[in-house]
Amino acid sequence: GQQVMQIPQYQHVQEGEDFTTYCNSSTTLSNIQWYKQRPGGHPVFLIQLVKSGEVKKQKRLTFQFGEAKKNSSLHITATQTTDVGTYFCAGPKGNKLVFGAGTILRVKS
Amino acid sequence: DGGITQSPKYLFRKEGQNVTLSCEQNLNHDAMYWYRQDPGQGLRLIYYSQIVNDFQKGDIAEGYSVSREKKESFPLTVTSAQKNPTAFYLCASSIDTGGSTNEQFFGPGTRLTVL
Repeated sequence: GQQVMQIPQYQHVQEGEDFTTYCNSSTTLSNIQWYKQRPGGHPVFLIQLVKSGEVKKQKRLTFQFGEAKKNSSLHITATQTTDVGTYFCAGPKGNKLVFGAGTILRVKS
Repeated sequence: DGGITQSPKYLFRKEGQNVTLSCEQNLNHDAMYWYRQDPGQGLRLIYYSQIVNDFQKGDIAEGYSVSREKKESFPLTVTSAQKNPTAFYLCASSIDTGGSTNEQFFGPGTRLTVL
């Protein structure tokens, strides 16, 4: 069945360093969504990408959707302590979303 | 103040007891979902409902049951048949039946511990 793989599982960076998490699907996706979950909190929607090769920015966050629509990435420039949490990608499967396992980001100040 | 509420935040039960987790939304969303979250495994779909009085099994439905008698409510029962029920349970909703293309809004979650 469709799987959404996410790497790395965990990353610990120094404040000010960049961070990237990658998402790969075994099948072509019609869209991909990204969510952030703060420690002790619940997932919050960040963005949805639909078009092949699409790039969207939200302040220091840059989201990309691959040309083949099977992979995506989230890049954070100059991380801050407020960026800590788990970042999930999610791709559609019928009327459901399949979530990646998430990348846990820790930031050392 | 619109949103999704789940109660309680923490729940403790003895092994062998059924327990029902509540989920209420006032966003007027058609679709609702229940996920289970375990460390390192992301979110796994238990059940989902696209419309009142209808619901479908997700990937890990065994040992769980749901009902959708009202649009705003989607309670989840963790039965004694669930072999490893201790987990963080998240309820979510999305605006319509195109759940895979609409963002999902999550409740604050219920952390269930079975002793």
